[in-house]
Amino acid sequence: KAGVTQTPRYLIKTRGQQVTLSCSPISGHRSVSWYQQTPGQGLQFLFEYFSETQRNKGNFPGRFSGRQFSNSRSEMNVSTLELGDSALYLCASSLGLNQPQHFGDGTRLSIL
Amino acid sequence: GENVEQHPSTLSVQEGDSAVIKCTYSDSASNYFPWYKQELGKRPQLIIDIRSNVGEKKDQRIAVTLNKTAKHFSLHITETQPEDSAVYFCAASTRGSSGGSYIPTFGRGTSLIVHP
Repeated sequence: KAGVTQTPRYLIKTRGQQVTLSCSPISGHRSVSWYQQTPGQGLQFLFEYFSETQRNKGNFPGRFSGRQFSNSRSEMNVSTLELGDSALYLCASSLGLNQPQHFGDGTRLSIL
Repeated sequence: GENVEQHPSTLSVQEGDSAVIKCTYSDSASNYFPWYKQELGKRPQLIIDIRSNVGEKKDQRIAVTLNKTAKHFSLHITETQPEDSAVYFCAASTRGSSGGSYIPTFGRGTSLIVHP
């Protein structure tokens, strides 16, 4: 079974731009969660989608948004990028409620 | 919301020694506690998990214990090997504010260094 796939692996953007990250979950997994990982704050929950619906959202500004498609693939969008948005963005998929999460390799976003 | 404290932040051991990493959580409603291992430049990988109806779980050299009363859980690695060197994260899952799913709150991580 293929693992969680995230694209692109690396991105360099400038302040004020926007970016879209993509995540393809493990086949059969309907839950997709997004996390931001930084040295200072660790792993922080962004949001979780299940069957195209956002079920929960972490404490991030509205510039961070996401969506999930009918095939469970998910995208995350960050608008008006700030220097502090530089981080590794991880996607994880699972079968559902309180089930083990499987992470992708992440997208490393650098803001100049 | 949930708060997870993880200690120590760095742990250095000799090959063959045991390593113990401890986490405490604040929300008594948390009921799922996974542990992840993240090697440098790689994705976090689930190594073991425990649910609130179980006090201990073991998988070869790795074990996790849970004390619901004290709200703490620990990861135990025996006979450590250099390839165990990585950052280990604990997490506690509790229902999100919308009630629709469980959200994991992660500890800040422990950097385990196993010296040959």
